[in-house]
Amino acid sequence: DAKTTQPNSMESNEEEPVHLPCNHSTISGTDYIHWYRQLPSQGPEYVIHGLTSNVNNRMASLAIAEDRKSSTLILHRATLRDAAVYYCILSENNAGNMLTFGGGTRLMVKP
Amino acid sequence: KAGVTQTPRYLIKTRGQQVTLSCSPISGHRSVSWYQQTPGQGLQFLFEYFSETQRNKGNFPGRFSGRQFSNSRSEMNVSTLELGDSALYLCASRLGFRETQYFGPGTRLLVL
Repeated sequence: DAKTTQPNSMESNEEEPVHLPCNHSTISGTDYIHWYRQLPSQGPEYVIHGLTSNVNNRMASLAIAEDRKSSTLILHRATLRDAAVYYCILSENNAGNMLTFGGGTRLMVKP
Repeated sequence: KAGVTQTPRYLIKTRGQQVTLSCSPISGHRSVSWYQQTPGQGLQFLFEYFSETQRNKGNFPGRFSGRQFSNSRSEMNVSTLELGDSALYLCASRLGFRETQYFGPGTRLLVL
């Protein structure tokens, strides 16, 4: 399985943008890049996913490198409620079947 | 619309016992997946059910089993519990195979 590498933790100030990086140098041509986040004492929550083009939704933006070996999740204005562990996952299909999460990045947001 | 619900939320068992966990998917969702989350291994896929049939299975021993009922509710059973089975067990549901998964809050199992 293609693996992802993320920093263990990051800090951000409230209302500032946050860029969460993910490296996936062994990604295959059919792998989708999914992002989930997990708030304390909750199950994971879907954030965004993409294949080749950059994607935007109400929660975040996903910037995918041209060679697809890395991607960045962008939170445009961090709030205290965005403090969570963010997981970058590769899945061989659009729906993210049979997900396997690694360590993720723990995002801390300072007021 | 109510989200995915899981019962119980917390459970303590001893080695050798068995346990059954329950998951009620979002109304209308026919697919239910189960995951195990531990600090050491992260989140790992156990199995997925769709219309009462197991469609996919992860790399777990046969002690882990599940089933899905006609109303899409699902149960997961772990027999002969081991200390290493202590984990957060998460259930996720979705409308169909090409749809986003929605996770429940999980059942935290502690095996003593």
